Amino acid sequence: QQQVRQSPQSLTVWEGETAILNCSYENSAFDYFPWYQQFPGEGPALLISILSVSNKKEDGRFTIFFNKREKKLSLHIADSQPGDSATYFCAAGPGGSNAKLTFGKGTKLSVKS
Amino acid sequence: DMKVTQMPRYLIKRMGENVLLECGQDMSHETMYWYRQDPGLGLQLIYISYDVDSNSEGDIPKGYRVSRKKREHFSLILDSAKTNQTSVYFCASSLGQNTEVFFGKGTRLTVV
Repeated sequence: QQQVRQSPQSLTVWEGETAILNCSYENSAFDYFPWYQQFPGEGPALLISILSVSNKKEDGRFTIFFNKREKKLSLHIADSQPGDSATYFCAAGPGGSNAKLTFGKGTKLSVKS
Repeated sequence: DMKVTQMPRYLIKRMGENVLLECGQDMSHETMYWYRQDPGLGLQLIYISYDVDSNSEGDIPKGYRVSRKKREHFSLILDSAKTNQTSVYFCASSLGQNTEVFFGKGTRLTVV
């Protein structure tokens, strides 16, 4: 049973467009949602995160929108750049903790110039 | 420069051999993790260590064991490796359970 689902599996956008990556979860105990960015041959790196008490979190061109009632969240990447091409993982954890994160399968983003 | 270092980066082993994957961090982080990543499956937690000799199973501990005798080192051991343990293994660390997790670059293990 997959508790964190991501869509689409892959996404291609043009440079300057906004990329939208979706994530949903099943466990109501999840209240911490980090997004990780991974380049080929590298480990994942924390990009941005949100706690369930908030419905929006911004950091530069990256914004998380969170809907607790529907158990859905999305990552918006504004003004996408070729350097944003990577795989993005949505994760979820209970109690505001990293200790037991559940990861989605990832969305591979390609930004064309 | 804060980092998590994994050795080796690439490893090929025969089925039935023992495997030792090593991880070090220079940030004095209390909490360390071992994950595996398979194509299209995201990351799965194998073990978590809260400090020296304080280890806890993750979601997929079967076939693995860990050792943490110093805060900065965390080892993953596969006794009698199996072909289905072919994967990329990531070590990670965090200052506590509520702070950013830093990942290493991974070890690509192939069991033939």
